[in-house]
Amino acid sequence: DAGVIQSPRHEVTEMGQEVTLRCKPISGHNSLFWYRQTMMRGLELLIYFNNNVPIDDSGMPEDRFSAKMPNASFSTLKIQPSEPRDSAVYFCASSLARGGRARNIQYFGAGTRLSVL
Amino acid sequence: QKEVEQDPGPLSVPEGAIVSLNCTYSNSAFQYFMWYRQYSRKGPELLMYTYSSGNKEDGRFTAQVDKSSKYISLFIRDSQPSDSATYLCAMSARYGGATNKLIFGTGTLLAVQP
Repeated sequence: DAGVIQSPRHEVTEMGQEVTLRCKPISGHNSLFWYRQTMMRGLELLIYFNNNVPIDDSGMPEDRFSAKMPNASFSTLKIQPSEPRDSAVYFCASSLARGGRARNIQYFGAGTRLSVL
Repeated sequence: QKEVEQDPGPLSVPEGAIVSLNCTYSNSAFQYFMWYRQYSRKGPELLMYTYSSGNKEDGRFTAQVDKSSKYISLFIRDSQPSDSATYLCAMSARYGGATNKLIFGTGTLLAVQP
């Protein structure tokens, strides 16, 4: 398997523009996670989906952020309008969620490095 | 106070040294403990996984969990320059659903000097 695929790898945009980040999870995985990583705050969970349904979006910083998962093989994270403080690396991760004490291991993509000028 | 605390480093050691990385946490509900390794400009990858208290060894790596002290450690023996990376601890509680949220530490940057 190719692993979790994110695009674009790098995005440079101007303040106020719309930004769309894309993620293709590992085939067969039923949970998908969006994270943001900065030097100051580390890796923060923004939102996660289980079976394409958003379960917890409490980490989404503001209404400018939205995420969708229209099917099991694709998800988007959108920022509109973007601001300089949104500059960070955004990671997508997927896992095969099982009950009990099963190892719900998350596999990460390579990330999208976003710079908002 | 953050749920998970981790010294950001950087930590610089000579090749062959024993490295000790640590995290403390405040949520007594955490039962699953992980260490992820992140190379520069890459995504984190799982290195070690431990359930509840105790030790787990995998090659040069040993993970320890002390739930009574809310303290976890990762030891690297005979460290190599290729071990140079950021190490993130992560943990989760057992929620009602099948998917467990992970709470990450901020990561410790390790540099192993040849």
